[in-house]
Amino acid sequence: GQQVMQIPQYQHVQEGEDFTTYCNSSTTLSNIQWYKQRPGGHPVFLIQLVKSGEVKKQKRLTFQFGEEKKNSSLHITATQTTDVGTYFCAEGSTGGFKTIFGAGTRLFVKA
Amino acid sequence: DTGVSQDPRHKITKRGQNVTFRCDPISEHNRLYWYRQTLGQGPEFLTYFQNEAQLEKSRLLSDRFSAERPKGSFSTLEIQRTEQGDSAMYLCASSSQGKRTDTQYFGPGTRLTVL
Repeated sequence: GQQVMQIPQYQHVQEGEDFTTYCNSSTTLSNIQWYKQRPGGHPVFLIQLVKSGEVKKQKRLTFQFGEEKKNSSLHITATQTTDVGTYFCAEGSTGGFKTIFGAGTRLFVKA
Repeated sequence: DTGVSQDPRHKITKRGQNVTFRCDPISEHNRLYWYRQTLGQGPEFLTYFQNEAQLEKSRLLSDRFSAERPKGSFSTLEIQRTEQGDSAMYLCASSSQGKRTDTQYFGPGTRLTVL
């Protein structure tokens, strides 16, 4: 069935360093969504990518969808302590019903 | 605060008891989702409503789980004869049909502990 794999599982960075998390699928993804969950909080929607090769930016965050729509990445430039949390990728099925989440990458930022 | 509320926030129960959780979505949202999240994992899809119709239910969901959304507004999730493996955070999310991006707004969740 549908499955999205995320790597790495954890990442420790020094404040100011860059961070990247990757999302991979063995099958073509209809779309990819990214969420952030702060410790003790709930997932918060960041963005959705739909088109092959799509790149979107939100301030220091850059989201990319692979040309074959089988992978995606989230890159954070110059991390800040406020970036701490778990970043999830998810695939929304066509029609927007079932959403399959990856296991997430937990980001730790040391000041 | 996303506008999605869940009640209770915490529930401790003994194995074998029934529990019911409530979710109040954002008022104009007609789509409602239930997820389960365990430590170190992403949210796991349980079921989906569009208005009052339950359109999809995960095959992972056993017959002990049932969800309703009788008037297309709030929803309840009931777990019968709870087991220790049911201990998890139960998340509700809502979204609005008709928008290109199905942005799901999550509630704070109900943390269930089964002793």
